[in-house]
Amino acid sequence: AQTVTQSQPEMSVQEAETVTLSCTYDTSESDYYLFWYKQPPSRQMILVIRQEAYKQQNATENRFSVNFQKAAKSFSLKISDSQLGDAAMYFCAYSGNTPLVFGKGTRLSVIA
Amino acid sequence: GAVVSQHPSRVICKSGTSVKIECRSLDFQATTMFWYRQFPKQSLMLMATSNEGSKATYEQGVEKDKFLINHASLTLSTLTVTSAHPEDSSFYICSARGGGDQPQHFGDGTRLSIL
Repeated sequence: AQTVTQSQPEMSVQEAETVTLSCTYDTSESDYYLFWYKQPPSRQMILVIRQEAYKQQNATENRFSVNFQKAAKSFSLKISDSQLGDAAMYFCAYSGNTPLVFGKGTRLSVIA
Repeated sequence: GAVVSQHPSRVICKSGTSVKIECRSLDFQATTMFWYRQFPKQSLMLMATSNEGSKATYEQGVEKDKFLINHASLTLSTLTVTSAHPEDSSFYICSARGGGDQPQHFGDGTRLSIL
């Protein structure tokens, strides 16, 4: 079975600084997708960024980018120029031939 | 973009009541829908997967007679919590996916409180 591990239960970052959230996963599949979701206090699940495993180029969405290391099964999220609105729970997720499997999440605090 | 509507957003009811939660894909056909449960400060745990017109597939440990799932059309799935008890209190989130490699889109969730 696929597993997703987020080893940082909590992180904090100063406003306007950069922070990296870690994620590793385990799978025997060769074709899959990886995601980062943001869950603010409203508890909506907001898709931040998506990476196809067959693409070597790291995905980027404005201030959000990933460092995808397929061989190491690592998928970290970098948030640049952090804003107060970035404060939330962040979940790393995997999807292959299965529904989304989520990590336990990292709670990000942004300090003004 | 793809929109998933989940209703109601909040339910408070007495123990023994059955509660129905609806999940609708508003602008796409959802061939597959998923139901997740989230306890406070925890991650989302998949309860079941449903494909339109067929029986839902439940994850290990999820009681299918307790959590009834119906996926009668390509735009609607319902989760009914039968004879709910306080331990069923939780946050329930649905998700829908179209065909191919489309990502899962989430509803806004339902906070269920059983007194």
